[in-house]
Amino acid sequence: QQQVKQSPQSLIVQKGGIPIINCAYENTAFDYFPWYQQFPGKGPALLIAIRPDVSEKKEGRFTISFNKSAKQFSLHIMDSQPGDSATYFCAARHGSSNTGKLIFGQGTTLQVKP
Amino acid sequence: ETGVTQSPTHLIKTRGQQVTLRCSSQSGHNTVSWYQQALGQGPQFIFQYYREEENGRGNFPPRFSGLQFPNYSSELNVNALELDDSALYLCASSLNPGGTDTQYFGPGTRLTVL
Repeated sequence: QQQVKQSPQSLIVQKGGIPIINCAYENTAFDYFPWYQQFPGKGPALLIAIRPDVSEKKEGRFTISFNKSAKQFSLHIMDSQPGDSATYFCAARHGSSNTGKLIFGQGTTLQVKP
Repeated sequence: ETGVTQSPTHLIKTRGQQVTLRCSSQSGHNTVSWYQQALGQGPQFIFQYYREEENGRGNFPPRFSGLQFPNYSSELNVNALELDDSALYLCASSLNPGGTDTQYFGPGTRLTVL
């Protein structure tokens, strides 16, 4: 129940394509869902985050879609660029928890070809 | 504003040894969380420190311990190292321990146990 399952494990798209990364969870106590981007040799950096009272959130070329009834959420990257090549992690947190513990998915390695 | 820094960058130890990893939090942040990221996996929560006290712990044995100092920097200590402890160790700082405060990650310390 503490898991966040992420797919696919890896993804290759052409420049301008729209890669989609999916995550699913079981624990309905999760109420905050961030996405992190990690480049080789760097720590994860927050991209965008959503609360379950919203079905979609956009920030620049990044969009999160959230389906509360299905307990699924996904990241879409519009007009993808070679510089978007990185590993992406979804995560979940108990919003009411006093620890802020993040539970991460397994990660998706994205390659955007020029 | 200085970001989260970690030292050392890389470390090689042998099984049974002890190691200390260090983290300086972002300016103004009083909370530090530590994560272990095995190769090809998402980060896993080890524990969190808030105002010099442990404030939550993940599923890690007691040989993983930590400290937080009055300036909010932090140490992660691992005793009796095992081969499976080989991983990237990430620290993340935030303004507060809970809620939806963004966790800002450092670049990590790569630990190899031989």
